[in-house]
Amino acid sequence: GENVEQHPSTLSVQEGDSAVIKCTYSDSASNYFPWYKQELGKGPQLIIDIRSNVGEKKDQRIAVTLNKTAKHFSLHITETQPEDSAVYFCAASKNSGYSTLTFGKGTMLLVSP
Amino acid sequence: GAGVSQSPSNKVTEKGKDVELRCDPISGHTALYWYRQSLGQGLEFLIYFQGNSAPDKSGLPSDRFSAERTGGSVSTLTIQRTQQEDSAVYLCASSLPGRGYTFGSGTRLTVV
Repeated sequence: GENVEQHPSTLSVQEGDSAVIKCTYSDSASNYFPWYKQELGKGPQLIIDIRSNVGEKKDQRIAVTLNKTAKHFSLHITETQPEDSAVYFCAASKNSGYSTLTFGKGTMLLVSP
Repeated sequence: GAGVSQSPSNKVTEKGKDVELRCDPISGHTALYWYRQSLGQGLEFLIYFQGNSAPDKSGLPSDRFSAERTGGSVSTLTIQRTQQEDSAVYLCASSLPGRGYTFGSGTRLTVV
């Protein structure tokens, strides 16, 4: 089955810096890659996703890039703010989301003022 | 409702007892998922319901775990004869086909 590796497990940045979280996947048939943000005591919330027919997608301060050849995808957060502090999960699935997601183990992002 | 609702939010049970966890998905979402999140770990897939199709139970860790979805809406996850290793946050999510999941806030289960 699919295996998703996520790095780093923790990331500390200063407010205003950029943060990058990287994931690799094993199944070349995977074609849907969402990112989730989980705040303490809450369920994960979808923040951005990308499908394998595009290489990059942006939404304000958040961007995701996908390299199908290398089977890796990354989350980029620019101009980080303290409220960006949370655990971020990457995930992958086949059939553009018509099947279950396999998640990475998460990255705890801490943005210091 | 506006989101996915899970109940109870917290559950403490004695080892060996049975527990039922409930999930109310977003109205109209045909897909419903259960995941388990242990401390410091990622999200472990348990079971997936899609419309009237047979559920994908491939993630259930043992035969003590079962789930049903009635009327294509509410789902119940049952854990029989609970063990301490069952302690975790159980997350439910729903979605439209091919779209991102919306998660509930989870049920934190503690087996003592």
